[in-house]
Amino acid sequence: EAGVTQSPTHLIKTRGQQATLRCSPISGHTSVYWYQQALGLGLQFLLWYDEGEERNRGNFPPRFSGRQFPNYSSELNVNALELEDSALYLCASSLLGNTEAFFGQGTRLTVV
Amino acid sequence: GQNIDQPTEMTATEGAIVQINCTYQTSGFNGLFWYQQHAGEAPTFLSYNVLDGLEEKGRFSSFLSRSKGYSYLLLKELQMKDSASYLCAVRPTGGGNKLTFGTGTQLKVEL
Repeated sequence: EAGVTQSPTHLIKTRGQQATLRCSPISGHTSVYWYQQALGLGLQFLLWYDEGEERNRGNFPPRFSGRQFPNYSSELNVNALELEDSALYLCASSLLGNTEAFFGQGTRLTVV
Repeated sequence: GQNIDQPTEMTATEGAIVQINCTYQTSGFNGLFWYQQHAGEAPTFLSYNVLDGLEEKGRFSSFLSRSKGYSYLLLKELQMKDSASYLCAVRPTGGGNKLTFGTGTQLKVEL
Protein backbone atom coordinates (compact mmCIF):
# COMPACT_ATOMS: atom_id res chain seq x y z
CA GLU A 1 0.00 0.00 0.00
CA ALA A 2 1.34 3.42 -0.94
CA GLY A 3 2.19 5.82 1.84
CA VAL A 4 1.73 9.57 1.88
CA THR A 5 3.24 11.05 -1.27
CA GLN A 6 4.31 14.63 -1.79
CA SER A 7 5.40 16.52 -4.88
CA PRO A 8 7.65 18.04 -5.88
CA THR A 9 10.55 16.79 -3.80
CA HIS A 10 12.43 20.03 -4.21
CA LEU A 11 11.23 23.47 -5.28
CA ILE A 12 13.23 26.64 -5.83
CA LYS A 13 11.39 29.94 -6.08
CA THR A 14 12.23 33.60 -6.12
CA ARG A 15 11.09 35.98 -3.40
CA GLY A 16 7.62 37.31 -4.20
CA GLN A 17 6.59 34.31 -6.28
CA GLN A 18 3.97 31.71 -5.41
CA ALA A 19 4.61 28.07 -4.55
CA THR A 20 2.19 25.15 -4.80
CA LEU A 21 2.91 21.92 -2.95
CA ARG A 22 0.87 18.75 -3.34
CA CYS A 23 0.05 15.82 -1.09
CA SER A 24 -1.72 12.52 -1.65
CA PRO A 25 -2.82 10.81 1.56
CA ILE A 26 -2.87 7.11 2.31
CA SER A 27 -5.89 5.49 0.73
CA GLY A 28 -8.86 5.72 3.07
CA HIS A 29 -7.47 8.60 5.11
CA THR A 30 -9.70 11.67 5.07
CA SER A 31 -7.57 14.03 7.16
CA VAL A 32 -4.52 15.85 5.82
CA TYR A 33 -2.16 17.95 7.93
CA TRP A 34 0.52 20.36 6.75
CA TYR A 35 3.62 21.22 8.81
CA GLN A 36 6.58 23.50 8.25
CA GLN A 37 10.01 22.40 9.46
CA ALA A 38 12.47 25.25 9.23
CA LEU A 39 16.15 24.67 9.92
CA GLY A 40 16.78 24.38 13.64
CA LEU A 41 13.09 24.55 14.52
CA GLY A 42 10.56 21.91 15.36
CA LEU A 43 7.67 21.03 13.13
CA GLN A 44 5.16 23.86 13.15
CA PHE A 45 1.52 23.06 12.45
CA LEU A 46 0.14 24.89 9.43
CA LEU A 47 -3.25 23.52 8.39
CA TRP A 48 -5.63 20.61 8.90
CA TYR A 49 -8.16 19.53 6.29
CA ASP A 50 -10.82 16.88 6.64
CA GLU A 51 -13.58 15.96 4.21
CA GLY A 52 -12.71 18.93 2.06
CA GLU A 53 -12.93 21.54 4.80
CA GLU A 54 -10.32 23.48 6.73
CA ARG A 55 -10.67 22.32 10.36
CA ASN A 56 -7.82 24.15 12.04
CA ARG A 57 -5.10 26.58 11.24
CA GLY A 58 -1.75 27.29 12.87
CA ASN A 59 -0.20 30.66 13.61
CA PHE A 60 0.78 31.52 10.05
CA PRO A 61 -0.15 34.55 7.89
CA PRO A 62 -3.01 34.33 5.36
CA ARG A 63 -0.60 33.99 2.45
CA PHE A 64 -0.33 30.36 3.54
CA SER A 65 -3.48 28.67 2.27
CA GLY A 66 -4.61 25.39 0.87
CA ARG A 67 -7.44 23.14 -0.08
CA GLN A 68 -8.49 19.53 -0.09
CA PHE A 69 -9.99 17.89 -3.14
CA PRO A 70 -12.84 15.33 -3.31
CA ASN A 71 -10.27 12.50 -3.56
CA TYR A 72 -8.75 13.81 -0.27
CA SER A 73 -5.51 14.97 -1.88
CA SER A 74 -4.42 18.42 -0.83
CA GLU A 75 -2.55 21.48 -2.01
CA LEU A 76 -0.63 24.00 0.03
CA ASN A 77 -0.18 27.42 -1.56
CA VAL A 78 2.27 29.99 -0.33
CA ASN A 79 1.90 33.43 -1.87
CA ALA A 80 4.34 36.35 -1.88
CA LEU A 81 7.21 34.10 -0.88
CA GLU A 82 9.72 35.39 1.63
CA LEU A 83 13.22 34.11 2.30
CA GLU A 84 12.04 32.88 5.72
CA ASP A 85 9.62 30.50 4.02
CA SER A 86 12.54 28.28 3.04
CA ALA A 87 11.86 25.04 4.88
CA LEU A 88 10.85 21.41 4.59
CA TYR A 89 7.07 21.19 4.23
CA LEU A 90 5.65 17.93 5.51
CA CYS A 91 2.23 16.50 4.88
CA ALA A 92 0.65 13.87 7.11
CA SER A 93 -2.57 11.92 6.81
CA SER A 94 -4.75 10.00 9.22
CA LEU A 95 -8.21 8.72 9.78
CA LEU A 96 -10.35 11.22 11.63
CA GLY A 97 -10.20 10.45 15.30
CA ASN A 98 -7.62 9.24 17.72
CA THR A 99 -5.20 7.48 15.43
CA GLU A 100 -1.60 8.11 14.48
CA ALA A 101 -0.64 10.34 11.59
CA PHE A 102 1.66 9.14 8.81
CA PHE A 103 4.08 11.56 7.20
CA GLY A 104 5.21 11.99 3.63
CA GLN A 105 8.82 12.61 2.62
CA GLY A 106 8.30 16.34 2.38
CA THR A 107 8.92 19.11 -0.13
CA ARG A 108 12.07 21.12 0.34
CA LEU A 109 11.20 24.72 -0.60
CA THR A 110 14.06 27.13 -1.14
CA VAL A 111 13.32 30.82 -1.64
CA VAL A 112 16.14 32.85 -3.16
CA GLY B 1 -1.18 26.99 24.22
CA GLN B 2 1.43 24.26 24.32
CA ASN B 3 5.10 24.27 25.26
CA ILE B 4 7.32 21.24 24.80
CA ASP B 5 10.91 20.87 25.97
CA GLN B 6 13.43 18.17 25.16
CA PRO B 7 17.23 18.14 25.11
CA THR B 8 18.82 19.31 21.89
CA GLU B 9 21.50 16.64 21.62
CA MET B 10 22.51 13.37 23.24
CA THR B 11 25.34 10.93 22.62
CA ALA B 12 25.34 7.24 23.57
CA THR B 13 27.34 4.10 22.90
CA GLU B 14 26.29 1.22 20.69
CA GLY B 15 24.64 -1.50 22.78
CA ALA B 16 23.80 0.86 25.64
CA ILE B 17 20.47 2.26 26.86
CA VAL B 18 19.48 5.90 26.45
CA GLN B 19 16.55 7.84 27.88
CA ILE B 20 15.26 10.94 26.10
CA ASN B 21 13.10 13.16 28.28
CA CYS B 22 10.26 15.43 27.25
CA THR B 23 8.32 17.87 29.42
CA TYR B 24 5.21 19.65 28.26
CA GLN B 25 2.69 22.25 29.28
CA THR B 26 -0.63 22.16 27.54
CA SER B 27 -4.09 23.63 27.94
CA GLY B 28 -5.68 20.35 26.84
CA PHE B 29 -4.11 16.93 26.48
CA ASN B 30 -5.17 14.02 24.31
CA GLY B 31 -2.02 11.96 23.91
CA LEU B 32 1.73 12.14 23.48
CA PHE B 33 3.62 10.78 20.49
CA TRP B 34 7.23 9.99 19.78
CA TYR B 35 8.54 10.07 16.22
CA GLN B 36 11.95 9.23 14.77
CA GLN B 37 13.33 11.33 11.94
CA HIS B 38 16.49 10.53 10.01
CA ALA B 39 18.11 13.44 8.21
CA GLY B 40 16.23 14.29 5.04
CA GLU B 41 13.49 11.75 5.69
CA ALA B 42 9.91 11.77 6.92
CA PRO B 43 9.19 11.36 10.64
CA THR B 44 8.15 7.80 11.44
CA PHE B 45 5.85 6.87 14.30
CA LEU B 46 7.44 5.16 17.31
CA SER B 47 4.98 5.25 20.19
CA TYR B 48 1.83 6.75 21.63
CA ASN B 49 0.79 7.28 25.26
CA VAL B 50 -2.53 8.65 26.44
CA LEU B 51 -2.70 7.06 29.91
CA ASP B 52 -0.02 7.11 32.61
CA GLY B 53 2.51 4.33 32.51
CA LEU B 54 4.93 2.51 30.30
CA GLU B 55 4.29 1.31 26.75
CA GLU B 56 6.83 -1.20 25.46
CA LYS B 57 7.45 -1.95 21.83
CA GLY B 58 10.52 -4.05 21.15
CA ARG B 59 13.67 -2.05 21.83
CA PHE B 60 11.63 1.11 22.35
CA SER B 61 9.56 2.05 25.41
CA SER B 62 7.75 5.24 26.25
CA PHE B 63 6.54 6.48 29.61
CA LEU B 64 3.97 9.11 30.48
CA SER B 65 3.06 10.96 33.67
CA ARG B 66 0.18 13.34 32.95
CA SER B 67 0.27 14.90 36.43
CA LYS B 68 3.92 15.85 35.94
CA GLY B 69 3.64 16.77 32.25
CA TYR B 70 6.50 14.39 31.59
CA SER B 71 7.38 11.64 29.17
CA TYR B 72 10.48 9.73 28.21
CA LEU B 73 11.52 7.50 25.36
CA LEU B 74 13.80 4.63 26.29
CA LEU B 75 15.95 3.00 23.63
CA LYS B 76 17.64 -0.27 24.50
CA GLU B 77 20.45 -2.17 22.79
CA LEU B 78 21.38 0.89 20.78
CA GLN B 79 22.39 0.39 17.16
CA MET B 80 24.20 2.76 14.84
CA LYS B 81 21.02 3.11 12.78
CA ASP B 82 19.30 4.64 15.83
CA SER B 83 21.27 7.84 15.20
CA ALA B 84 18.46 10.23 14.35
CA SER B 85 16.31 13.04 15.69
CA TYR B 86 13.60 11.99 18.15
CA LEU B 87 10.53 14.20 18.21
CA CYS B 88 8.15 14.50 21.13
CA ALA B 89 4.69 15.72 20.16
CA VAL B 90 1.52 16.46 22.10
CA ARG B 91 -1.99 16.19 20.70
CA PRO B 92 -4.37 18.71 22.22
CA THR B 93 -8.05 18.05 22.76
CA GLY B 94 -10.43 18.79 19.90
CA GLY B 95 -7.77 19.04 17.25
CA GLY B 96 -8.02 15.77 15.36
CA ASN B 97 -4.43 14.68 14.89
CA LYS B 98 -2.98 18.17 14.91
CA LEU B 99 0.25 17.81 16.87
CA THR B 100 2.49 20.27 18.66
CA PHE B 101 6.10 19.19 18.34
CA GLY B 102 9.20 19.84 20.39
CA THR B 103 12.34 20.84 18.53
CA GLY B 104 13.64 17.27 18.67
CA THR B 105 16.58 15.53 20.31
CA GLN B 106 19.46 14.67 17.99
CA LEU B 107 20.83 11.31 19.15
CA LYS B 108 24.28 10.22 18.05
CA VAL B 109 25.22 6.59 18.60
CA GLU B 110 28.96 5.94 18.72
CA LEU B 111 31.04 2.77 18.68
